[in-house]
Amino acid sequence: GENVEQHPSTLSVQEGDSAVIKCTYSDSASNYFPWYKQELGKRPQLIIDIRSNVGEKKDQRIAVTLNKTAKHFSLHITETQPEDSAVYFCAASIYGNNRLAFGKGNQVVVIP
Amino acid sequence: DVKVTQSSRYLVKRTGEKVFLECVQDMDHENMFWYRQDPGLGLRLIYFSYDVKMKEKGDIPEGYSVSREKKERFSLILESASTNQTSMYLCASSPGVGEAFFGQGTRLTVV
Repeated sequence: GENVEQHPSTLSVQEGDSAVIKCTYSDSASNYFPWYKQELGKRPQLIIDIRSNVGEKKDQRIAVTLNKTAKHFSLHITETQPEDSAVYFCAASIYGNNRLAFGKGNQVVVIP
Repeated sequence: DVKVTQSSRYLVKRTGEKVFLECVQDMDHENMFWYRQDPGLGLRLIYFSYDVKMKEKGDIPEGYSVSREKKERFSLILESASTNQTSMYLCASSPGVGEAFFGQGTRLTVV
């Protein structure tokens, strides 16, 4: 089955700087890559997703890039704010398939 | 607003007890999932269901079973709870493509 790995496991950034989290996946058939954010004590929520027919997608301060050849995708957060502090999970699946494979999560800490 | 509701936020059970975790969704989603979340291990899929009475094993099904008698409800059953099943359990539902919506989680402690 699909195997998704995230790096680094913990990331500390100064407020206003950028944060980048990278994920790699193993199944070349995967074509749907969502990112979930989980704040302390709360449920994971989708923040952005990308399908393999595009290489980049942006939503305000958040962007995701995808390199299908290298089988990796990254989450970019610009102008980080304290409310960006959370655990971020990447995932991969075949679009329309029921099953998401999640990475182990990244703890992002934004230092005021 | 999609709502996925888990029956308990916190649960304490004794070793050997049969434990039921209930999850209800109100968006008529075909797919429902049970995950287990442990520090450093991320979200691991226990079981999922893509239709009423249908189920498939996830990555860590041992010691668990599930039941989906109605489309909106998906139950996780610990046949004989053990201390290594102490964890946060998250239910999710999805419409078949795209976003999965999570419940608030049940923190289960087995003593």
